[in-house]
Amino acid sequence: GDSVTQMEGPVTLSEEAFLTINCTYTATGYPSLFWYVQYPGEGLQLLLKATKADDKGSNKGFEATYRKETTSFHLEKGSVQVSDSAVYFCALGGRDYKLSFGAGTTVTVRA
Amino acid sequence: NAGVTQTPKFQVLKTGQSMTLQCAQDMNHEYMSWYRQDPGMGLRLIHYSVGAGITDQGEVPNGYNVSRSTTEDFPLRLLSAAPSQTSVYFCASSYSRGTRQETQYFGPGTRLLVL
Repeated sequence: GDSVTQMEGPVTLSEEAFLTINCTYTATGYPSLFWYVQYPGEGLQLLLKATKADDKGSNKGFEATYRKETTSFHLEKGSVQVSDSAVYFCALGGRDYKLSFGAGTTVTVRA
Repeated sequence: NAGVTQTPKFQVLKTGQSMTLQCAQDMNHEYMSWYRQDPGMGLRLIHYSVGAGITDQGEVPNGYNVSRSTTEDFPLRLLSAAPSQTSVYFCASSYSRGTRQETQYFGPGTRLLVL
């Protein structure tokens, strides 16, 4: 079945550091890929998405490229801020109306 | 728009008690779903609905019931609570019938503790 594996955390960074969170997937067909973010005490919200191979999603300085050849969708940001502290989830939109989520990666950015 | 709302925010139950978690959306979304979030396991789909009167099971449906009598509401019922159901529950909705490209909009969550 469809599944997502993402880098385990927690990840602790200093402000202005480079952030990468790895995400790989297994799926049949042509899934869509998403990154959702959960800020403390809140529900999840969409950060970015890509719906086909080689698409790049971007938002709030974050980027991820849909790589079919490596079945990956790694999240990157060049210079993180304290406000980026959150839990990040990679997700796959596959068959049967379902989203499959990774386990989540907790990111803490220190001033 | 209020988006997706959930009540209550927090609930404590004793083993064997029943309760209903409420979820409502005002975006006229066809697709709604319930997830539970447990540490280290991400979000797991409990039940989902592709429209009023239509529901189906997700990955972890045991111990939970749902119904969808209106487009707006999608309550989740715990029939006989067990400690294994201690979790944070999220309701989500999306515009169309859950096509693989659709963004899902999440509620703020209900934190449930079963003693």
